[in-house]
Amino acid sequence: NAGVMQNPRHLVRRRGQEARLRCSPMKGHSHVYWYRQLPEEGLKFMVYLQKENIIDESGMPKERFSAEFPKEGPSILRIQQVVRGDSAAYFCASSLLAGASYNEQFFGPGTRLTVL
Amino acid sequence: QQQVKQSPQSLIVQKGGISIINCAYENTAFDYFPWYQQFPGKGPALLIAIRPDVSEKKEGRFTISFNKSAKQFSLHIMDSQPGDSATYFCAASSGGGADGLTFGKGTHLIIQP
Repeated sequence: NAGVMQNPRHLVRRRGQEARLRCSPMKGHSHVYWYRQLPEEGLKFMVYLQKENIIDESGMPKERFSAEFPKEGPSILRIQQVVRGDSAAYFCASSLLAGASYNEQFFGPGTRLTVL
Repeated sequence: QQQVKQSPQSLIVQKGGISIINCAYENTAFDYFPWYQQFPGKGPALLIAIRPDVSEKKEGRFTISFNKSAKQFSLHIMDSQPGDSATYFCAASSGGGADGLTFGKGTHLIIQP
């Protein structure tokens, strides 16, 4: 069983460019979460999606950031016009069933974004 | 406002000893409390998790103790091994774990041989 897959693993962008981060959940999982980790910090929740729906985006910056989880294909976290402060590790997690008695989230290896 | 406070920030334990990491939370709506282990350059891996209807859960060398009235929970690693050296994060969420996780800032654990 493949785990959560993320690509690219490393991404370098210049200020003002766009960054697209992809996440394929574990097989059978239909719930995806995105988190951001700054150096020497814990992970910060950004957004929670189900197929074709954004459930909770309370952790997403209001501008430049967007996320989607289409019916087919991976979930995408998109950052427009990147700035140096966007440099971080971005992790995706997936879970099997929201609202279950014990909803475990399994994390991918992350995408490390560097903005020059 | 930090909703989950984790301590200590770093911890050094001798091989074979007990490692103890503590967390405290503020949001009484939290009802799911997992611990994650992270190695450098890797994603967090779920270690063990607990719900507030039990006060303790044990899996192998890892034990979570939970005190609902004090809003505190802790991770105990028995017979600590050098391979346990990693960063440990406590987390909490509501909705039975369905909601996004709120993480502590992490504890860098070093097990000395």
